[in-house]
This record gives sequence, structure tokens and C-alpha cells, in this order.
Amino acid sequence: DAKTTQPTSMDCAEGRAANLPCNHSTISGNEYVYWYRQIHSQGPQYIIHGLKNNETNEMASLIITEDRKSSTLILPHATLRDTAVYYCIVTNAGNNRKLIWGLGTSLAVNP
Amino acid sequence: NAGVTQTPKFQVLKTGQSMTLQCAQDMNHEYMSWYRQDPGMGLRLIHYSVGAGITDQGEVPNGYNVSRSTTEDFPLRLLSAAPSQTSVYFCASSPGGAGANVLTFGAGSRLTVL
Repeated sequence: DAKTTQPTSMDCAEGRAANLPCNHSTISGNEYVYWYRQIHSQGPQYIIHGLKNNETNEMASLIITEDRKSSTLILPHATLRDTAVYYCIVTNAGNNRKLIWGLGTSLAVNP
Repeated sequence: NAGVTQTPKFQVLKTGQSMTLQCAQDMNHEYMSWYRQDPGMGLRLIHYSVGAGITDQGEVPNGYNVSRSTTEDFPLRLLSAAPSQTSVYFCASSPGGAGANVLTFGAGSRLTVL
């Protein structure tokens, strides 16, 4: 599975968009990009995933570059409750044995 | 729907004691898995199951047993607790097929082994 690189930490002002980057330059053609977040002391929460097209749901948008070597998770109007660790994971769709959880990006949303 | 329910939330054991962490899901998910999370490390897969009666080892299986007699339940047994097993344990479930990586996690079980 492709490895991912994320910044260790980021800050964002409440009400502004939070843009969390992820590099996955070794991604292969059948690998998806998944995003999860973990609010302090809670279980991780699935956010969104995509293969090559941009995706949007009620929580966030996922922008994947045309060469698929990087992606950005966008929280359009960050709130204090979005303060969490965000994980970017790249893997094949069908087998969840291969999820490699790094240390993610710790996002602090400030008032 | 309750989602994924883990019990207990907190447990303190002495070295050598055994115990079972319970996990139940009510979403009829095929896949279930156990992870542990330690400070400064990402989640690590302990054991997983792709259906009732089928289990397999993950990255860090030593010292743990699992079974899956029903779709709903996936208990994790610590055979003889060691201080190195002090951790936060998360159970997760997901549908099979293309949804296998869309995991729903439980709230976690914090275990301390003295």
C-alpha cells in the first residue's frame, strides 16, 4: 500500500475553511484515498473517500489532484468541534486488513 | 441503532490475569476488527474477521485470542495480561466488498495492566 505524508499539526480559525493536505506519491491505480478523524479519546470516525474524482458529503470535500499523488480534505466552515487528529489512508477498496494508520494531522480550530 | 458497542470502558488488571473485551455491532456488518492505540503510534490491527466463524491475525496478535461465533459479536481475550498490553483498544466493523474500508468504531476500552 502507498504511504502517506501529512503535516504533524495545523491551526484554523473558527468559521474558516480548513484545508488538510496529504501526499501519496506512490499511489497505485486501484488504490483509494480515505480520510478519518479522531476526536480526543474517541474512536476514529470515517469522513470520506475517493478514487480520482473529487467527492463531497455532508462532512467534507475531498480534492484529488489529476496525477493522484496528493489530495486535500476541506472542512468548509470549521467549528471548535472539528478539532481532532485527521488521518489520510491509501489502500485498495476491498480489504481492511491493509489500513495503515500513521500519526495524522492534529488540527486545532481556534475561536 | 447503537452502532459498535464496547465493554468495559475502563479496566485495571494485574499481570497474569485474563479478561475479555466485548464488542457488538448491530449493523449486520461482515467485517469486524480489533485495534490497539498507544501514545505516539498509529492504530495497529490485532485480529480481524471477515465473517462468522472466520478470524485471522493482524499486525500485533501475540497475547490475544478472538472468536466470531455470530455476525454481531467479536470478543477479544487477553490470555495472561502483561504491562505491555496497557493500551486503548478499539473495535470496528464494516460492510464487506467495496465498503470494507468504511469502518465504524466503538468508543474504546482503556486497559491498564499493573
